[in-house]
Amino acid sequence: NAGVTQTPKFQVLKTGQSMTLQCAQDMNHEYMSWYRQDPGMGLRLIHYSVGAGITDQGEVPNGYNVSRSTTEDFPLRLLSAAPSQTSVYFCASSYGGTGAYSPLHFGNGTRLTVT
Amino acid sequence: AQSVSQHNHHVILSEAASLELGCNYSYGGTVNLFWYVQYPGQHLQLLLKYFSGDPLVKGIKGFEAEFIKSKFSFNLRKPSVQWSDTAEYFCAVSQYSSASKIIFGSGTRLSIRP
Repeated sequence: NAGVTQTPKFQVLKTGQSMTLQCAQDMNHEYMSWYRQDPGMGLRLIHYSVGAGITDQGEVPNGYNVSRSTTEDFPLRLLSAAPSQTSVYFCASSYGGTGAYSPLHFGNGTRLTVT
Repeated sequence: AQSVSQHNHHVILSEAASLELGCNYSYGGTVNLFWYVQYPGQHLQLLLKYFSGDPLVKGIKGFEAEFIKSKFSFNLRKPSVQWSDTAEYFCAVSQYSSASKIIFGSGTRLSIRP
């Protein structure tokens, strides 16, 4: 089925470990983004990309890296996990290069716990 | 930096009651405005959006929102809610000059009593 696929669905990390959250879409969307969702704080934008080779920072980029080598994939890397990064992470994509002029399509989320 | 405020964190209504959820944003320039909804166990999905033109925007499932530029507001309304409207509602904004940076509010949880 077409859509946004996030892996893994659940992950537990120890403080200081690194990992990559995967996001792939098969809709040929130019725009992709990562959000984290925390209780009472809604969704906060971490990083976004308007096309392959182009990324930019969102509201809360510290502690996270991204790259966009292909249109389909937009992985999010945690270099040294901290308990403050415990959250649910959502990847979203959109047709066109801005994310604003057509609806965002969200993945199912990755629930990350850092102990 | 732009920000989005949703002051109602949790709203509880009975079926058939009217709904209005508040959304205010901080940016003074031209903006794009959105309401997204997350039903229990489902993805976020777009309810409605405003880019320009008629400030009263109609969306899916009988929802509408009014853009009031002087008040920096984009409140969501529905004349008569149903139990199936139980969900979390998120207002979002992007600046026209930086349309790619879509900022969400903290969300409002809506509970409908049957």
